[in-house]
Amino acid sequence: SQTIHQWPATLVQPVGSPLSLECTVEGTSNPNLYWYRQAAGRGLQLLFYSVGIGQISSEVPQNLSASRPQDRQFILSSKKLLLSDSGFYLCAWSVLGGPLETQYFGPGTRLLVL
Amino acid sequence: AQSVTQLDSHVSVSEGTPVLLRCNYSSSYSPSLFWYVQHPNKGLQLLLKYTSAATLVKGINGFEAEFKKSETSFHLTKPSAHMSDAAEYFCVVSDTNFGNEKLTFGTGTRLTIIP
Repeated sequence: SQTIHQWPATLVQPVGSPLSLECTVEGTSNPNLYWYRQAAGRGLQLLFYSVGIGQISSEVPQNLSASRPQDRQFILSSKKLLLSDSGFYLCAWSVLGGPLETQYFGPGTRLLVL
Repeated sequence: AQSVTQLDSHVSVSEGTPVLLRCNYSSSYSPSLFWYVQHPNKGLQLLLKYTSAATLVKGINGFEAEFKKSETSFHLTKPSAHMSDAAEYFCVVSDTNFGNEKLTFGTGTRLTIIP
């Protein structure tokens, strides 16, 4: 069966510090991978998605970046965090099998920038 | 373009009474629709999905939703609420962009269960 891992589970970082959140998927090959952010009182916002190694599409302009160094690894990064980067970050995966695919979400990372 | 509107940001029901969480959508194409649940400090879990088959979709934990094209609605229901149902619920519509499914999330409905 497929599983998705995210770490760390929670993180408190000062403004201006760097960020690295990691997501890995097990039990599947060539997944599509996604990073979402959930800010307090708001729905989920798609940040990045990737259809393969080294292929990253950005949905919204921001000071975050994403990388996919391996097939089942997706990393969310920032060189300098802003207060507005606080939120709940969710990684998700899906398998491309037509237009009706479903995304499966990881446990999330709660980030607080102070 | 597609969008999702969850009509209630907060719903409170007594344990054992029915649950109704409302969702309306707009989509240029035949949509796929989903309901996800998020328990406190946890990730999202898929409850059910509609993918152009039967309009009444049954999900986990006794939840179901009915796709009504004429009303552009996909309301989530459960006959009898349980304390463990307290969570945030998201209605989601799909879009396929360059073969990569992109989901548009509603803003969520927080369900509170009164003992």
